[in-house]
Amino acid sequence: DVKVTQSSRYLVKRTGEKVFLECVQDMDHENMFWYRQDPGLGLRLIYFSYDVKMKEKGDIPEGYSVSREKKERFSLILESASTNQTSMYLCASSPTLAVHGEQFFGPGTRLTVL
Amino acid sequence: LAKTTQPISMDSYEGQEVNITCSHNNIATNDYITWYQQFPSQGPRFIIQGYKTKVTNEVASLFIPADRKSSTLSLPRVSLSDTAVYYCLVGDRVKAAGNKLTFGGGTRVLVKP
Repeated sequence: DVKVTQSSRYLVKRTGEKVFLECVQDMDHENMFWYRQDPGLGLRLIYFSYDVKMKEKGDIPEGYSVSREKKERFSLILESASTNQTSMYLCASSPTLAVHGEQFFGPGTRLTVL
Repeated sequence: LAKTTQPISMDSYEGQEVNITCSHNNIATNDYITWYQQFPSQGPRFIIQGYKTKVTNEVASLFIPADRKSSTLSLPRVSLSDTAVYYCLVGDRVKAAGNKLTFGGGTRVLVKP
């Protein structure tokens, strides 16, 4: 059974802290994605990676960075967390960059920044 | 990525068929239509995708008219466990869309007993 796991389901951090969100997939997919989900705004793409060490900005990259040192792992970094980054963060992996390609999502991390 | 419009919410009863229509007037020639389902506290799950006419799998059917400016996801004989948010996504490749990939607000389907 395919699996995408995220390091935490719930996380509470303080303003200004550096935050790491980890995502691991076991499907040997080339492509991995980070989204945030907010009420009324749906899911918005933050960054994606199409190979190890390769990354591209998505819709809303400001305030975020990413790291992909190994194929199975994609990390989202909040350099200095702010309250407007309180959100649900979802990681996904896919064998393709086609929009219509199936993406496999993790369970999400609900981040609260105080 | 083509702009999509879906109803915000729909109510149904167990055993009924649920049809959710997504409008995408500016769909491009190479765009496909994809639907995802999301349960509370979970990530979205791929349901079905298609390019034209009708596609059916064990979960749902997708109807796409000839002009492709809309599509309808059909869930046959729903049960309480089909209560979820359903997202319509229209596009080709992420990079062709300027790296923009947004799942819109979706349609919240509530199945009642």
